Amino acid sequence: KAGVTQTPRYLIKTRGQQVTLSCSPISGHRSVSWYQQTPGQGLQFLFEYFSETQRNKGNFPGRFSGRQFSNSRSEMNVSTLELGDSALYLCASSLEGLAAPPSYNEQFFGPGTRLTVL
Amino acid sequence: AQSVTQLGSHVSVSEGALVLLRCNYSSSVPPYLFWYVQYPNQGLQLLLKYTSAATLVKGINGFEAEFKKSETSFHLTKPSAHMSDAAEYFCAVRTKAAGNKLTFGGGTRVLVKP
Repeated sequence: KAGVTQTPRYLIKTRGQQVTLSCSPISGHRSVSWYQQTPGQGLQFLFEYFSETQRNKGNFPGRFSGRQFSNSRSEMNVSTLELGDSALYLCASSLEGLAAPPSYNEQFFGPGTRLTVL
Repeated sequence: AQSVTQLGSHVSVSEGALVLLRCNYSSSVPPYLFWYVQYPNQGLQLLLKYTSAATLVKGINGFEAEFKKSETSFHLTKPSAHMSDAAEYFCAVRTKAAGNKLTFGGGTRVLVKP
């Protein structure tokens, strides 16, 4: 089974631009979560999508948004990029059932997209 | 609210020596606890998880962790370090109330000396 894939792996943008990152979960996984990893703030939760709906959200400004498609693939978008948005963005998928709250199913992480904002 | 504290941002061990990485958590409800490892330029890989079954949890690559409720700890150990254990390790907590959100500790980078 293929793992979580993220594209692109590396990205360089300039301040003020916007960027879209893509995540393809493991086949059959319906939950996709996004995390930002920086040396200063560590790993921080951005948001989670399940069945095309945002189910949970972290404490990030509205410039950070995401969506999920019917095939569970997810994208996250960052508008009006700032220098501080430079980070490794990690996507994770998990096998969730229909019942809420979610179980403790393992989250499988992709290799990440390294975004550099100049 | 849930939080995780990892004591020591860097740990240096000799090959063959005990690896001990400390993790303390704060949670008002029963937590699910995880240890992840991250190798350079890679994502996170699950080492092991505690889900309220056995308090001593065995994971991959010879790692294990013990859940101690009285100490709110979930320390990670490995009896004998290998060079391949050099990586960054993250402790994480999750609760039903927080959904699928993982809250991570600051990470501990392990250096293994030959």
